[in-house]
Amino acid sequence: SQQGEEDPQALSIQEGENATMNCSYKTSINNLQWYRQNSGRGLVHLILIRSNEREKHSGRLRVTLDTSKKSSSLLITASRAADTASYFCATVTQGGSEKLVFGKGTKLTVNP
Amino acid sequence: ETGVTQSPTHLIKTRGQQVTLRCSSQSGHNTVSWYQQALGQGPQFIFQYYREEENGRGNFPPRFSGLQFPNYSSELNVNALELDDSALYLCASSPNLVDTQYFGPGTRLTVL
Repeated sequence: SQQGEEDPQALSIQEGENATMNCSYKTSINNLQWYRQNSGRGLVHLILIRSNEREKHSGRLRVTLDTSKKSSSLLITASRAADTASYFCATVTQGGSEKLVFGKGTKLTVNP
Repeated sequence: ETGVTQSPTHLIKTRGQQVTLRCSSQSGHNTVSWYQQALGQGPQFIFQYYREEENGRGNFPPRFSGLQFPNYSSELNVNALELDDSALYLCASSPNLVDTQYFGPGTRLTVL
């Protein structure tokens, strides 16, 4: 079963624009992580935000977490063609094993 | 590069056959997890091994089994292959149960 649901399913923007992807989940979490996947290959870890954190930054990435709404957002600023990929949120459930529960992902296309 | 490798890259099998997929984790990573990713979907948790013992299992039948070895390598075995087993299989390792998981590039399995 999938916990997180990303929105939108697909996003197409121009280079230089910002991209925002949203993730909603169902159960209480320990942490939420965002991953990037290029062309159906391995996943690259982008950022981890814990349940007691509200916002984290890493380079051009900004992640927010609202546990009351069970939602998170990933903002990529000043996007580049190389950011074209699928982005997934994954949750680690509170009190459960440390498995990652993924959503279906957002496919981002950045046009040059 | 995450330092996690998987072999083979691609594999074609026929229904009913058995397959073994391999993963080599980063040195010192005592936790390995396996995920199945069908086309257009997010990864689904198969199982996790911690210090060579199974530490959690997803909703997969017993014909999916695994092993973790002391040299930081691991295997995923699938018996009696079915057409729906066609997917990208990802392994992920971490230094400990609660740390970030680092994914390998995956093995694409096609069952004909």
